[in-house]
Amino acid sequence: AQKVTQAQTEISVVEKEDVTLDCVYETRDTTYYLFWYKQPPSGELVFLIRRNSFDEQNEISGRYSWNFQKSTSSFNFTITASQVVDSAVYFCALSEGDDKIIFGKGTRLHILP
Amino acid sequence: DTGVSQNPRHKITKRGQNVTFRCDPISEHNRLYWYRQTLGQGPEFLTYFQNEAQLEKSRLLSDRFSAERPKGSFSTLEIQRTEQGDSAMYLCASSSGTVEQYFGPGTRLTVT
Repeated sequence: AQKVTQAQTEISVVEKEDVTLDCVYETRDTTYYLFWYKQPPSGELVFLIRRNSFDEQNEISGRYSWNFQKSTSSFNFTITASQVVDSAVYFCALSEGDDKIIFGKGTRLHILP
Repeated sequence: DTGVSQNPRHKITKRGQNVTFRCDPISEHNRLYWYRQTLGQGPEFLTYFQNEAQLEKSRLLSDRFSAERPKGSFSTLEIQRTEQGDSAMYLCASSSGTVEQYFGPGTRLTVT
């Protein structure tokens, strides 16, 4: 069975601090895809990143970085030097192909000025 | 390239009424997905289409729900005899056959 767990329901940090959002997943497939989406207060889901199960390279994009570790079934997301505009709900998600995506319950991130 | 669009953005209806939502995917995307998101939860998969064929339906999609994509372009999601438990955000996404799905702004349904 597929499952995505985001244990942190809500996080608050002061602007310019670094923050890491945790994600743990379960799947029986050897080929799968992991995602992070951002949902700002406007409500639209914004795609941030996709990783393939066979590519464990960490990725950095500006202030965002992702740490994928198959050994612990984790795909954590770090925002460096956080900004108020980063305030949103962040979803980690899993897909085993090109059909449905299974989402976690999300982590609500508050960046305080 | 315009994104996924959904109409209406908000719908308030009385219990027992029927409602229909529309989704226009990104041009030439052959896959179209419907999800439902309730407050404080992540989106949950409802159904998806490849072109006009409906390939999978979730157990969440009761008999009161029906989705169509008659010409392989836009899609409609109809809920008959709405219940208060149907209140949610209904999200549509599309893809070109790759794993990334691009989401629309959603239709927020409130059943009173």
